[in-house]
Amino acid sequence: KAGVTQTPRYLIKTRGQQVTLSCSPISGHRSVSWYQQTPGQGLQFLFEYFSETQRNKGNFPGRFSGRQFSNSRSEMNVSTLELGDSALYLCASQGGRGANVLTFGAGSRLTVL
Amino acid sequence: AQKVTQAQTEISVVEKEDVTLDCVYETRDTTYYLFWYKQPPSGELVFLIRRNSFDEQNEISGRYSWNFQKSTSSFNFTITASQVVDSAVYFCALSGSYNQGGKLIFGQGTELSVKP
Repeated sequence: KAGVTQTPRYLIKTRGQQVTLSCSPISGHRSVSWYQQTPGQGLQFLFEYFSETQRNKGNFPGRFSGRQFSNSRSEMNVSTLELGDSALYLCASQGGRGANVLTFGAGSRLTVL
Repeated sequence: AQKVTQAQTEISVVEKEDVTLDCVYETRDTTYYLFWYKQPPSGELVFLIRRNSFDEQNEISGRYSWNFQKSTSSFNFTITASQVVDSAVYFCALSGSYNQGGKLIFGQGTELSVKP
């Protein structure tokens, strides 16, 4: 069974640009969550999508957005990038209602110059 | 508000030593879930264990064991006879009721270094 796949793995952007990250969950998993990991703030929850609807949202500005497609694949977008957006962005999927156990991808490492 | 505290930022041990990683949590929920994840240098978080708030039984899995005590709001993780491959960052996490599904509150992590 394939795991959670995130693309791209690494990317470099400049301030003011926007970026789109992609996540393919484990087959059959309908929930996809996104996390930001930085040395200073640690792991922080961005949002969760379930059946194409945002189910939970963290405390991030509106520049951070996401969506989920009918095949459960998810994308997150960050607009008007700031230096502080440099981070490892982790995607996780879970299967079964209330399972709570997240399976994480390897992450997309974003560097903003 | 929910919060997870891992007071130990870094721990260094020599192979074969036992090591305990501490985790203290805060929540007002009566139903909640606690987790431990391991993050090796590759970056991918690996699930180790989930505990729900009604199950205070300790658990042992090979060299790993977990001690859950509601009275002290702690969920500590012990590695017995540590090995170099155990070197990683370990995260304790908390989740509320199941409809919070993918939303975990993570501690700051404990970086464990096991030296040969």
